[in-house]
Amino acid sequence: AQSVTQLGSHVSVSEGALVLLRCNYSSSVPPYLFWYVQYPNQGLQLLLKYTTGATLVKGINGFEAEFKKSETSFHLTKPSAHMSDAAEYFCAVRTGGGNKLTFGTGTQLKVEL
Amino acid sequence: DTAVSQTPKYLVTQMGNDKSIKCEQNLGHDTMYWYKQDSKKFLKIMFSYNNKELIINETVPNRFSPKSPDKAHLNLHINSLELGDSAVYFCASTVGGQDNSPLHFGNGTRLTVT
Repeated sequence: AQSVTQLGSHVSVSEGALVLLRCNYSSSVPPYLFWYVQYPNQGLQLLLKYTTGATLVKGINGFEAEFKKSETSFHLTKPSAHMSDAAEYFCAVRTGGGNKLTFGTGTQLKVEL
Repeated sequence: DTAVSQTPKYLVTQMGNDKSIKCEQNLGHDTMYWYKQDSKKFLKIMFSYNNKELIINETVPNRFSPKSPDKAHLNLHINSLELGDSAVYFCASTVGGQDNSPLHFGNGTRLTVT
């Protein structure tokens, strides 16, 4: 069975500081990994995805994530946080042959002045 | 143009009532989903349809009945609403059989049962 674990339900950073949101996955087969962002009262928007190939994936709004098979991790980073980055972030996994996208429990990012 | 649209955006009703939520996508996808997001933001899959056929049916009370008249539409009917049904319900779509294809989500329907 596939699953993802997001460490830290709440993360707070200062504007301009590094953003690091952690995600670890569990899968018996090569996974497809996704990060989504949810702004208040909105649906989920795709930030980036890892399928195959390059392990460093760049997404929208300056975010990127690195797939590390040895650590079963897919952490999301952004060099410099902006106030507009404040939102809920979800890591998700989908494994080969499955139609199910399984989400982590989410991390709420707060950006302070 | 909205890719995945849900109606209504807000739904307030009393216990015991029956209600429906509609979803339509114009992305040409063949697989659609219903997810439930609870008050703690946890997202749980409920159902998935591929070309009008049910392919995922998680442990959901049979008061919930999805219906897919065609591959662009997936509606959710809920009978005998309970307080615990209060949540945000999201519709999503994707290309079936392509695991690298992301899900595209609607903006959600906030259901409040009083």
